[in-house]
Amino acid sequence: GIQVEQSPPDLILQEGANSTLRCNFSDSVNNLQWFHQNPWGQLINLFYIPSGTKQNGRLSATTVATERYSLLYISSSQTTDSGVYFCAVERGQNFVFGPGTRLSVLP
Amino acid sequence: DGGITQSPKYLFRKEGQNVTLSCEQNLNHDAMYWYRQDPGQGLRLIYYSQIVNDFQKGDIAEGYSVSREKKESFPLTVTSAQKNPTAFYLCASSFDRWGNQPQHFGDGTRLSIL
Repeated sequence: GIQVEQSPPDLILQEGANSTLRCNFSDSVNNLQWFHQNPWGQLINLFYIPSGTKQNGRLSATTVATERYSLLYISSSQTTDSGVYFCAVERGQNFVFGPGTRLSVLP
Repeated sequence: DGGITQSPKYLFRKEGQNVTLSCEQNLNHDAMYWYRQDPGQGLRLIYYSQIVNDFQKGDIAEGYSVSREKKESFPLTVTSAQKNPTAFYLCASSFDRWGNQPQHFGDGTRLSIL
């Protein structure tokens, strides 16, 4: 089945810093989403981005489907950005989440 | 407000008992999904349903059962056959099959064995 990798596994930032999270996948996909899971376990949609670039406030994402990767950019990070960031891909009958990047933003 | 409601938020089970987790959505979504998350891990798909009265096994369906009698509801039963049921369970829905529309999640149910 399709493999999804995320890097880095853990990231510690000072408030105000920028960061880039990466998601690699092993085969072509029909859909890709980025999620943020907050410390209480709530999973929030960030982007639905099978290809191209999208921006929402301080966050933006780019998916290069032909090269099988997606990037999530966080600018001017805040403590509320802390949590785990997952990418998830769909291809045919497979629904696969990556292992996540755990982000800690320090005040 | 439209959304996905999971209940209860916390659930405790004795050995050998079946328990049912509730998932209700008022988003008029056709597709619904159940995931399991273990501590420090990503999500794994248990079951999904693309339409009423139809559902398909995901990667880790053993020890679980579901039903989809109504569009709004997709309950998950954790049976006594599931040997390690302690986990965080998340329900999701999408307007149609996942390939075309984004998934939206409920707040989850934490299941623990007494």
